[in-house]
Amino acid sequence: AQSVAQPEDQVNVAEGNPLTVKCTYSVSGNPYLFWYVQYPNRGLQFLLKYITGDNLVKGSYGFEAEFNKSQTSFHLKKPSALVSDSALYFCAVRDDSGGSYIPTFGRGTSLIVHP
Amino acid sequence: DSGVTQTPKHLITATGQRVTLRCSPRSGDLSVYWYQQSLDQGLQFLIQYYNGEERAKGNILERFSAQQFPDLHSELNLSSLELGDSALYFCASSVRGVGANVLTFGAGSRLTVL
Repeated sequence: AQSVAQPEDQVNVAEGNPLTVKCTYSVSGNPYLFWYVQYPNRGLQFLLKYITGDNLVKGSYGFEAEFNKSQTSFHLKKPSALVSDSALYFCAVRDDSGGSYIPTFGRGTSLIVHP
Repeated sequence: DSGVTQTPKHLITATGQRVTLRCSPRSGDLSVYWYQQSLDQGLQFLIQYYNGEERAKGNILERFSAQQFPDLHSELNLSSLELGDSALYFCASSVRGVGANVLTFGAGSRLTVL
């Protein structure tokens, strides 16, 4: 079975400060990991994914995520937050060991960047 | 514009009624996924189709059904609607139905059941 947890419902950060949105996962095999962002009244948009290789993945809009196998985490980061980054962020996981090919999404974390 | 088109954008109906939500996938994508997003349940996978065939089923109620047509558009049918069915329904598409495919989401159909 595969599952993903986003332990924070909301993250507040000041503009210009670094931000981190946390995600932990559980899979039987190896994980495919994804981050998506949802702006108000919009569908989810893909930010980045990890399949294999470098633990640090770079994505859209200056976001990056660090894969940590020992801690089963895939935290989303950005060195300097913008007010326009305020949105709902979803982590998703898919187990590569077969079974379901459908990614499981976390409940989402609301990021609020204050001017 | 993501390339995934969902209609209608908003729908208000009464309990006991039936509605149909429509989705046109991004050009070239063969796989369609339906998700339900609500405040208490988060983003829940309902059902997936690949090239016209049902590929995977999630937490889809028996009152709900879906299909994918030869032109690859998909419809989600919701019947005997209840207040708790009020939610945002997303369609997503991907090139294939397996692997580490990125999903491209539509803007959603917001259903309100009164």
